This record gives sequence, structure tokens and C-alpha cells, in this order.
Amino acid sequence: DSGVTQTPKHLITATGQRVTLRCSPRSGDLSVYWYQQSLDQGLQFLIHYYNGEERAKGNILERFSAQQFPDLHSELNLSSLELGDSALYFCASARRGTDTEAFFGQGTRLTVV
Amino acid sequence: GQSLEQPSEVTAVEGAIVQINCTYQTSGFYGLSWYQQHDGGAPTFLSYNALDGLEETGRFSSFLSRSDSYGYLLLQELQMKDSASYFCAVRDGRNQGGKLIFGQGTELSVKP
Repeated sequence: DSGVTQTPKHLITATGQRVTLRCSPRSGDLSVYWYQQSLDQGLQFLIHYYNGEERAKGNILERFSAQQFPDLHSELNLSSLELGDSALYFCASARRGTDTEAFFGQGTRLTVV
Repeated sequence: GQSLEQPSEVTAVEGAIVQINCTYQTSGFYGLSWYQQHDGGAPTFLSYNALDGLEETGRFSSFLSRSDSYGYLLLQELQMKDSASYFCAVRDGRNQGGKLIFGQGTELSVKP
């Protein structure tokens, strides 16, 4: 157990809908990263938050947004969902923004039908 | 921009040694990390190299050459449970920020 909690584990929703994925980092970790992993693909970096502030963005679609709250949990919001958004979404946390050792949650498997 | 190149798949037999290479390109370099991911599971951290040379952790070793923008993960005494995907990763950024970028992953299949 990495100490990072993601909910829900599975999500099935229809095209055009909006969903929110939640991530609770390890106790004391200030950094949260979000990744998308499509079938048999690598981990695509979406966004990085450090202590409540956005620090870096990857190729995140405009339909996607995220935030990190004062208690350091983070949410990833996906809207106007398309079939191609079906993927595993991982969050990872790290103690500091410069750490290369990140701890991953078990992921949320999103299926858009 | 940042990019990492690693082979898409490698096959080896139990008990053998396998090397997974990674070449990277980043605007700033803060070290090379390796992660393991079993089928659809959470990636787990294996090792990190900030300086040139070899780091050994049990059966796994990782090497870095900053001048060549190159590193590798060496797995010895392969076991069936080592069948997984292996990702190299680099950090690009500064000031408590930045991206942690992963390669596309190398799928290792260990055969009996």
C-alpha cells in the first residue's frame, strides 16, 4: 500500500457527461501529479500541483481541469467526455516538488460508453 | 521539450540478466528514475540516479551517463514475477515544480 488513495476505483459513464476523480496523497506529501494511461500506453503527464498551486501542465485537454485543496487532496474533473477518454487515471504524490520518487495510487479506471 | 526513448518490449528467460535502456532529452536534468508496473497496477518506484555511475539495489541496478543522456536498468537472476512494464522517468522543472515525465515503457516477459 503506497498510502495514496484514489476514488472511485472504477467509473462507467456516458459520452458528454462530467466526472470527478479524487486523490488523497500520502500524509505529509505536498506534491500531487495526475497521469492518464490508455490501453497499453505509457503514463501521460497531465498536471502537477504543489501545496495547492498549479506547478506544471502537460498535454491536458481544455475539457479537463484539476485543483488541490487546502487539505492537499486533489480532484481531476473531466467534462464533455468522449470515448477516447476511457483510460486509467493515476495520481501520484511526493514529499516535495523536486522529488523523483513518487508514490502512485491504484488508479481510477474510467470507461466512457 | 522532454522525451524519453526505451524499447517497447524485451523477452528473457528465468535466471538470466536483462538490460533495459533509456535515452532522454530534457531542458533541465534532475536525475533519472525507474518504475515498475504490473498489469494495470500502480507503478512503483525502483531506483534513482542523479550522478553518473551504477546504483545497486538487490537484484536491480541502474546506471546513468549524463554526458550521453543515457541510462539503463539491469535486472539480474530474473524471476517470473519480474514480468512487468518498466518505465524510465525524468523531472523537468525547477523551484518545487515541474513535470515528472515517463517513457512509453518496456514490457518485460520472463519465460521459464
